[in-house]
Amino acid sequence: EVQLQQSGAELGKPGTSVKLSCKVSGYNIRNTYMHWVNQRPGKGLEWIGRIDPANGNTIYAEKFKSKATLTADTSSNTAYMQLSQLKSDDTAIYFCAMEGYLGVMDAWGQGASVTVSS
Amino acid sequence: DIVMTQGVLPNPVPSGESASITCRSSKSLVYKDGKTYLNWFLQRPGQSPQLLTYWMSTRASGVSDRFSGSGSGTYFTLKISRVRAEDAGVYYCQQVREYPWTFGGGTKLELK
Repeated sequence: EVQLQQSGAELGKPGTSVKLSCKVSGYNIRNTYMHWVNQRPGKGLEWIGRIDPANGNTIYAEKFKSKATLTADTSSNTAYMQLSQLKSDDTAIYFCAMEGYLGVMDAWGQGASVTVSS
Repeated sequence: DIVMTQGVLPNPVPSGESASITCRSSKSLVYKDGKTYLNWFLQRPGQSPQLLTYWMSTRASGVSDRFSGSGSGTYFTLKISRVRAEDAGVYYCQQVREYPWTFGGGTKLELK
């Protein structure tokens, strides 16, 4: 069974950075793409981007190109997302999701809350 | 970017009745392989999204046959038959025809 375990809640000050992790068990992330999605309080889902862990290639939604940095460590089967220059608008739950062989996000992490506050 | 627009349900829906959720895309989601790259997710309160259907009408593994997806290249429907308490939540359509992948704004299903 595939499981995605995300790191815990983060509290960051404006202007700082946070780095979230997503550890995958039951599947080799070299054989998939890892996606990140956010959900602001009371709002819908927003796709941030994806990484190919096998070669590090990334694709981002335009609005997150200078906000999020996706990386992956195949030795630990873990994907990461760093959020930089935090603003209050970055307060959200961030989900990682694995793209299976069908080309869809069919396994999700439990979500990690990021709160930006001074 | 492809814009996904979802309809609103006349909530609450009586248990045992059917509910249809609509989604429209600003561009055809049919790819040259003939598949329509439209997914549906359900997000129950406090949970992560769960994949229901992909390629517009194929149910994901373990998903009840009460859920059925249909549509054309730009207009899509998710029908839920015999609605049950565990179907409550917010439903999202998502296009994966091209990057950036985009979601609809969500449609809330409440049960009576």
